[in-house]
Amino acid sequence: QSVLTQPLSASGTPGQRVTISCSGSTSNIEFNPVSWYQHLPRTAPKLLVYHSNQRPSGVPDRFSGSKSGTSASLAISGLQPEDEADYYCATWDDSLNNWVFGGGTKLTVL
Amino acid sequence: QMQLQESGSGLVKPSQTLSLTCAVSGGSISSGDYSWSWIRQPLGKGLEWIGYIYYTKNTHYNPSLKSRGTISVDTSKNQFSLKLSSVTAADTAVYYCARGPIDLTLGYFDYWGQGALVTVSS
Repeated sequence: QSVLTQPLSASGTPGQRVTISCSGSTSNIEFNPVSWYQHLPRTAPKLLVYHSNQRPSGVPDRFSGSKSGTSASLAISGLQPEDEADYYCATWDDSLNNWVFGGGTKLTVL
Repeated sequence: QMQLQESGSGLVKPSQTLSLTCAVSGGSISSGDYSWSWIRQPLGKGLEWIGYIYYTKNTHYNPSLKSRGTISVDTSKNQFSLKLSSVTAADTAVYYCARGPIDLTLGYFDYWGQGALVTVSS
């Protein structure tokens, strides 16, 4: 059972916009920034969003992050087949005193 | 370009010690600008942070490991290592090394290794 709650799966057709949620608590998301990672099998996870809504250079602006209260979201617009992957949210938990991740959301591009 | 590469024992017997090393290239661990973490993913499950080390050898571990983990750094070889003692089948996972922030509460992991599968089995 992950500290951060994500839906197990999400799906969309090419060109659509999908949103993946990440639910936490006052000890993690509410007061700490959230990062998002894209993970393809047998590859290194890739940082997509940091500080809740900032994109590293090289990440397309189709990917955007937001945070409100104890929840965060990753939105992917203009969905492409290569976006099919697992997506994880992460942040620091002040009560546990360690990093926590969501359980991951498997995105399927139909 | 920063690159991290894990290496180590792929098969470990129960109750023994798992050992992994992360070689860092494209940047120096001694720069002091980052922390260096181990993160694992049990098969079919989510990611779990194990702990981190600074080049000063200061460390911090996930309490859930119950003091079984030890992370060390060798600045002369630009690498850091993980040892996990008294392993059980529950420690079977893909282990990743990653570069993280100096301020853990404000940061993120911007570079990751490809991962190393470690299986605990007799």
